[in-house]
Amino acid sequence: DIQMTQSPSSLSVSIGDRVTISCRASQVIGNFLNWYRQKPGAAPELLIYAASRLQSAVPSRFSGTGSGTDFALTITSLQPEDFATYYCQQSYSAPYSFGQGTKLEIK
Amino acid sequence: QVQLQETGPGLVKPSQTLSLTCTMSGGSFSSGNYYWTWVRQSAGKGLEWIGRVYSSGGSNFNPSLKSRVTISVDSSKNQLSLRLSAVTAADTAVYYCAGGKGTAIYSGSDLNYYYYMDIWGKGTTVTVSS
Repeated sequence: DIQMTQSPSSLSVSIGDRVTISCRASQVIGNFLNWYRQKPGAAPELLIYAASRLQSAVPSRFSGTGSGTDFALTITSLQPEDFATYYCQQSYSAPYSFGQGTKLEIK
Repeated sequence: QVQLQETGPGLVKPSQTLSLTCTMSGGSFSSGNYYWTWVRQSAGKGLEWIGRVYSSGGSNFNPSLKSRVTISVDSSKNQLSLRLSAVTAADTAVYYCAGGKGTAIYSGSDLNYYYYMDIWGKGTTVTVSS
């Protein structure tokens, strides 16, 4: 199975900040990488697929980069609704595993 | 707009079978080329992919659960179901049903198919306890 490791596990940030979250796969997965945002008490919502493709209706302040084993999600100008937990997921091979999550907290 | 809603017993006894249903409004589980997936989330293990079925047939399961999991579609009721047998406290979690059509993208001459979940239910909490 492919292991996904995110860093950091949590981050204290302020509204308007730029944030980058990292995700590393235990083996090469090409660009088969998704990012989700999960607000408290809600289901995850898809932000990015294929490592860098923005899902429809997702704000352009979200962007994804990377291929192979190393990936990043960047959020420019954090908004109040972005204080949530973010997960990466590999879609290269089953089981389609998730990272452990990165929680953004208000500084 | 397609919406998903999970239902089932909130409490299951150890060794019994957990049965959940996902009902769709605004669409059909058997139409379109969709993957329908179950994901669970527990405090100890974060998000865990359980398995998926394809609207036109085929399925994949997490090997760690494969011997205990059944995922099926009842087209007549427009429902997706999950059955997990021989449950233990480790199966306590919020269970989500989710779906995604995926996207085919060319990279040079190679056509790659990207799987993701862009439709989610709100989740249902299941506790395994005697």
